[in-house]
Amino acid sequence: AQTVTQSQPEMSVQEAETVTLSCTYDTSESDYYLFWYKQPPSRQMILVIRQEAYKQQNATENRFSVNFQKAAKSFSLKISDSQLGDAAMYFCAYRSPYSGNTPLVFGKGTRLSVIA
Amino acid sequence: AAGVIQSPRHLIKEKRETATLKCYPIPRHDTVYWYQQGPGQDPQFLISFYEKMQSDKGSIPDRFSAQQFSDYHSELNMSSLELGDSALYFCASSRDLKNNEQFFGPGTRLTVL
Repeated sequence: AQTVTQSQPEMSVQEAETVTLSCTYDTSESDYYLFWYKQPPSRQMILVIRQEAYKQQNATENRFSVNFQKAAKSFSLKISDSQLGDAAMYFCAYRSPYSGNTPLVFGKGTRLSVIA
Repeated sequence: AAGVIQSPRHLIKEKRETATLKCYPIPRHDTVYWYQQGPGQDPQFLISFYEKMQSDKGSIPDRFSAQQFSDYHSELNMSSLELGDSALYFCASSRDLKNNEQFFGPGTRLTVL
């Protein structure tokens, strides 16, 4: 079974600075999908960014980018120009590709605080 | 754009009571997933349905059952509720495509007293 590990329970960043959240995973599959979800105090799960394992290029969405290292099974999230609204719980998640309806496996999450 | 709808948003029950949570997926989405998120925990997969058939099963207790109806909405039935069932229950929906994205509903917060 696949596992996802987020080794940083809490992180903090100054407003306008850059922060990197770590995620590692364990899988024997060669093709898969990786995601970062944001969960603000409202508890809504919001997709931040996704990465297909067969793509070597790192995904980018505005101020959010990932560093995907397939051999190392590492998938870190970089948030640039941090804003107060970025404060939230961030979950890294894995999904197998064998069908279109496999569930997500989540890490334990990293709570990000943004300091004004 | 239409989103996943969950009802009720909040539910308070006593121990040993039953509860029914409902999920209305995004139109044309044929797959529904249920996740349970305990306090301070990550979401845990319970069960999923594709085209009204059970697709995958996770850590769903035997006291819980679920189904997907002809209009693709899904219901999670929970019986003999325990204090430990207090959690946020998410429903997510997707289309059956290999590179799909799961869209999450706002969740139902269940409190068992």
